[in-house]
Amino acid sequence: DADVTQTPRNRITKTGKRIMLECSQTKGHDRMYWYRQDPGLGLRLIYYSFDVKDINKGEISDGYSVSRQAQAKFSLSLESAIPNQTALYFCATSVGQGSTDTQYFGPGTRLTVL
Amino acid sequence: AQSVTQLGSHVSVSEGALVLLRCNYSSSVPPYLFWYVQYPNQGLQLLLKYTSAATLVKGINGFEAEFKKSETSFHLTKPSAHMSDAAEYFCAVTSYNQGGKLIFGQGTELSVKP
Repeated sequence: DADVTQTPRNRITKTGKRIMLECSQTKGHDRMYWYRQDPGLGLRLIYYSFDVKDINKGEISDGYSVSRQAQAKFSLSLESAIPNQTALYFCATSVGQGSTDTQYFGPGTRLTVL
Repeated sequence: AQSVTQLGSHVSVSEGALVLLRCNYSSSVPPYLFWYVQYPNQGLQLLLKYTSAATLVKGINGFEAEFKKSETSFHLTKPSAHMSDAAEYFCAVTSYNQGGKLIFGQGTELSVKP
């Protein structure tokens, strides 16, 4: 079984809808991250969480919110989806020992907003 | 602020040829540098990382990278390309004061011709 899972893997939705993307991990890591990937732009950090009570905005948090329901679960919500939020979304985890930690990525969720 | 620039959004090599993917960084403090690889329809996985120890870093699948402070570079090389190396490669930077947050480059797609 994969260590970092994301659901759904693909989602098509309409403008204005509320969408939740879920991430679960079995690695026992403290830190979790949400990124979006756009062609030609690489990955950009949306939100990150160092533990259940510590959530921080990343580079591009506008239009998104997150919830860290447990150490193993970190959800990303789009309150009112818009077409320019069409992207590939990745969840990642790291053990939390420091800045040189390796991040482990899930398989991604491809979101299309019509 | 930190940043990463990957020169060349697409690189094509023949099987058995040298692979060279370029990464230049900007950082006002000593950087930690990473190369991640993304195979089609998968999440990212770590190839190698520089954490201020040896400047020549060896990674998985025969890849290596050399940290050159004077050139602010961290180019990725492999002596002999294999068909299975076809993927997208991302360079990323962080530092001790970034709490593990990564700044990614735009990515370089590597094609390997038979």
